[in-house]
Amino acid sequence: DSGVTQTPKHLITATGQRVTLRCSPRSGDLSVYWYQQSLDQGLQFLIQYYNGEERAKGNILERFSAQQFPDLHSELNLSSLELGDSALYFCASSVDSWGASGNTIYFGEGSWLTVV
Amino acid sequence: GDSVTQMEGPVTLSEEAFLTINCTYTATGYPSLFWYVQYPGEGLQLLLKATKADDKGSNKGFEATYRKETTSFHLEKGSVQVSDSAVYFCALSDNQAGTALIFGKGTTLSVSS
Repeated sequence: DSGVTQTPKHLITATGQRVTLRCSPRSGDLSVYWYQQSLDQGLQFLIQYYNGEERAKGNILERFSAQQFPDLHSELNLSSLELGDSALYFCASSVDSWGASGNTIYFGEGSWLTVV
Repeated sequence: GDSVTQMEGPVTLSEEAFLTINCTYTATGYPSLFWYVQYPGEGLQLLLKATKADDKGSNKGFEATYRKETTSFHLEKGSVQVSDSAVYFCALSDNQAGTALIFGKGTTLSVSS
């Protein structure tokens, strides 16, 4: 158990709909990351928040948005869903703002999103 | 930009065989290097890491040495078990650029008894 909690574990929704994925980081971790894992694209970094502020942006679509709340949990909002958005969405957390300098990034078990 | 290249899979081995999964990287700064493992139906778990050149990361019989001269971080294990069957991801974090983890495409390992 990494200590990173993601809900829901599985989600099936229709095209055009909007969903929210939730993540609670490890206790004491200030940084939260979102990744998308799909068969064709592999693991893609979406976005990072540190202590409530956006710190880095990766390949995140404009239809997607995220935020980190004062209690440090984070939500990833996916809207106008398309079939191609079906993927496993991972949340991860780390102590510092970079997840670098050898600091470990811990991953949750992911949220499976299926768009039909 | 920074990138990680892993050998194509799947890798199929018999139990107790020697494992090598190649990983090379491109980075502008001085990255930290990681191997993550994803068992079937589970999330990513950190397997080992190395933060500077010539460091060796090790865990559960797996080892990888940070080779700056060849920009490589190959994963090795002397004797694999069926329970090692999983997808293995090489990743880097560029400390200077402050980016999040960049992953390779993953290598599927299948070990048979």
